[in-house]
Amino acid sequence: GESVGLHLPTLSVQEGDNSIINCAYSNSASDYFIWYKQESGKGPQFIIDIRSNMDKRQGQRVTVLLNKTVKHLSLQIAATQPGDSAVYFCAEKIQGGSEKLVFGKGMKLTVNP
Amino acid sequence: NAGVMQNPRHLVRRRGQEARLRCSPMKGHSHVYWYRQLPEEGLKFMVYLQKENIIDESGMPKERFSAEFPKEGPSILRIQQVVRGDSAAYFCASSPDLAGGVGAQYFGPGTRLTVL
Repeated sequence: GESVGLHLPTLSVQEGDNSIINCAYSNSASDYFIWYKQESGKGPQFIIDIRSNMDKRQGQRVTVLLNKTVKHLSLQIAATQPGDSAVYFCAEKIQGGSEKLVFGKGMKLTVNP
Repeated sequence: NAGVMQNPRHLVRRRGQEARLRCSPMKGHSHVYWYRQLPEEGLKFMVYLQKENIIDESGMPKERFSAEFPKEGPSILRIQQVVRGDSAAYFCASSPDLAGGVGAQYFGPGTRLTVL
């Protein structure tokens, strides 16, 4: 069935450290993945996306890695800052289906100064 | 370049009343989506619309809920005869047409519905 889950519900890091947020997905037919950041009281903010024909994609301070063999997605944040504190969601889209996204429950990242 | 706009930001209704949530997509975006989020949970898909068409409503409850995206004006999510269980944050997202497919979904700030 459709499900996207996160391995860790909470993560606490020190400012300046690198953060890694992991996500497992169950549908091998998923062909598009997005990471979102959601701060309290706000809507999800697009961070980075990746299509299934890629293994890695880099943005500003963020890298997304996709391992289709084990159906695993990760978000790496370099030099984590207090402003990175938020809940992070991975979401997937099923190939050939509607454009709807299936979201995981979320993982809360806390950055300590 | 305004993002996705939603109003109202907060809405309080009594049981049995109607709730109307509005969403204006980003300029140039022709695809609109509605999601619902309960506290401490991820977003759940409700409905996907293009102008004047419902493309996928597989996540929408069969009763009391309806959505539209008219040729002119914002998309509307309508909840009739609200119940306490409808209390949640409702998010709208929009995406553009791109060569070869549909682009990423960008979200609005949400409408927080409280049913008393």
